[in-house]
Amino acid sequence: NAGVMQNPRHLVRRRGQEARLRCSPMKGHSHVYWYRQLPEEGLKFMVYLQKENIIDESGMPKERFSAEFPKEGPSILRIQQVVRGDSAAYFCASSQGLSSNTGELFFGEGSRLTVL
Amino acid sequence: EDQVTQSPEALRLQEGESSSLNCSYTVSGLRGLFWYRQDPGKGPEFLFTLYSAGEEKEKERLKATLTKKESFLHITAPKPEDSATYLCALNDYKLSFGAGTTVTVRA
Repeated sequence: NAGVMQNPRHLVRRRGQEARLRCSPMKGHSHVYWYRQLPEEGLKFMVYLQKENIIDESGMPKERFSAEFPKEGPSILRIQQVVRGDSAAYFCASSQGLSSNTGELFFGEGSRLTVL
Repeated sequence: EDQVTQSPEALRLQEGESSSLNCSYTVSGLRGLFWYRQDPGKGPEFLFTLYSAGEEKEKERLKATLTKKESFLHITAPKPEDSATYLCALNDYKLSFGAGTTVTVRA
């Protein structure tokens, strides 16, 4: 499967624990985007990364959230000291170039975080 | 600030009953409006890109149109497999999504 791969698909954490979500973009794609989807709400942009660079993190909460896309390996979205409000589906998307060039992002199937 | 509003929130259709979904937008300079389909438990799947008023795109029973303030997604003679949430988004390279319209088509 050459699509965007996200893992884990489901993650349960207790309040105060850390959550790490991983995303492997499509082969040949060097642009990665993370979105959060709360129940009954739309997709909200969090962060846009290229290899080893954070391009735009304007949608990331200022505290507890961080993202990286290293030279080797998947992109990681890290949430420290999780709270119940962090429970959501987190989607990763990738593109070959800027989405503005093609209009198309390829999405993974998401990671669903539940905070108890 | 760019903004996207979708209506209705939910739409229940009988198989074969055509209808339209609305996406109203405000943007300083349109660089593209996108439609995506999202099935339950899945990630969004790209459908169309529209760049200028008057443009139309078609795919099977779906047709997307664009004016200077709105986009419509027309579903002609829908089938149960067209049941999904349809999302529109503005292109500001990171995509600003609307909340979506959940379409349910009954056989």
